[in-house]
Amino acid sequence: SQKIEQNSEALNIQEGKTATLTCNYTNYSPAYLQWYRQDPGRGPVFLLLIRENEKEKRKERLKVTFDTTLKQSLFHITASQPADSATYLCALDTGGNNRKLIWGLGTSLAVNP
Amino acid sequence: DAGVIQSPRHEVTEMGQEVTLRCKPISGHDYLFWYRQTMMRGLELLIYFNNNVPIDDSGMPEDRFSAKMPNASFSTLKIQPSEPRDSAVYFCASSQPGTQETQYFGPGTRLLVL
Repeated sequence: SQKIEQNSEALNIQEGKTATLTCNYTNYSPAYLQWYRQDPGRGPVFLLLIRENEKEKRKERLKVTFDTTLKQSLFHITASQPADSATYLCALDTGGNNRKLIWGLGTSLAVNP
Repeated sequence: DAGVIQSPRHEVTEMGQEVTLRCKPISGHDYLFWYRQTMMRGLELLIYFNNNVPIDDSGMPEDRFSAKMPNASFSTLKIQPSEPRDSAVYFCASSQPGTQETQYFGPGTRLLVL
């Protein structure tokens, strides 16, 4: 069955440093992968989408890479700020006729001032 | 636009009672998704609709769960009878015509079944 894994441990970093979050998957060849941010008591909010034929995508301080050989995506936040503290979710497109997203459990990020 | 609207925001009920969760998607979106989120299992897709038609309900746990979408601006998720293991946060999300990419989530309904 398809499986998607994110860093299970919470990530604590110092303000100004780069945060790197990992998303690994098995048993699937997704057409695209997405990253969402979730704050406590709120629904996930879309951040970035990267397609299978894209190696890297950037948006302001965010960067996502996608390695379909390693079956891994990395999510980077550069010059991190305390306001970046949240849980970050990775979601994979299953493709096929009944395509849908399957989700990782998320990684909690805390940026300390 | 007000975004995806869900009600109620919180629901506390007793085991065996019927629970109805409501969702209004973003106007113009033709995909609607119902998710359940728990600490142990994360976000799980329960069912999704396209143009008001259920497309995939393979995530619905059992016959106690049912979902309807009578029109483009309203959907319900019903649990009858409810059980303590149904306690979770239920999210509704919608996405733009022709694509499931970039899903917009509502604030969720936090359900506690005692």
